[in-house]
Amino acid sequence: NAGVTQTPKFRVLKTGQSMTLLCAQDMNHEYMYWYRQDPGMGLRLIHYSVGEGTTAKGEVPDGYNVSRLKKQNFLLGLESAAPSQTSVYFCASSAGPYEAFFGQGTRLTVV
Amino acid sequence: GEDVEQSLFLSVREGDSSVINCTYTDSSSTYLYWYKQEPGAGLQLLTYIFSNMDMKQDQRLTVLLNKKDKHLSLRIADTQTGDSAIYFCAESGANNLFFGTGTRLTVIP
Repeated sequence: NAGVTQTPKFRVLKTGQSMTLLCAQDMNHEYMYWYRQDPGMGLRLIHYSVGEGTTAKGEVPDGYNVSRLKKQNFLLGLESAAPSQTSVYFCASSAGPYEAFFGQGTRLTVV
Repeated sequence: GEDVEQSLFLSVREGDSSVINCTYTDSSSTYLYWYKQEPGAGLQLLTYIFSNMDMKQDQRLTVLLNKKDKHLSLRIADTQTGDSAIYFCAESGANNLFFGTGTRLTVIP
């Protein structure tokens, strides 16, 4: 089983560039999440979705947009990358607001 | 919003028991979780406890929940070098999970 797959695994962006991170899950989960992980700060929720076509803001949504056009995919977009967005990004999915399954992470560096 | 707190570091000797502590704020959480993150990897669910339970044991892992004090702990018996990782506690919210800062466990051979 693939579970939760994130692409790409690594990326370096210049300030002001844009990019999209893709998350795909094959568990037919309704809920999907994007987190960022920074040293000493744990995981902070950026955006989440409770079903196809729905999205909601998390704790740190500024500078990010998301879309959930298909149930299995959750896209995270950075329209104009900033050095403060250098982080490790994790996608997760769950059947409900409980046990979440995580992808392997995307390490993003903005220079 | 919800606030989940953990100490950042813990070091133990191989063979000893490890106890990782967590405090949370949302008394309505239905489930509380412990996740493990190994270097360069995503988070993996270790165990969870339902909010109406006081204790749950799963092989070397023991979870204790004190609802009155909103305190959750994870005890790892006979800690091994392979247990070295970051451990996150998390509580379930209305639509998502809230994570603590993570405790980096270092096991000294």
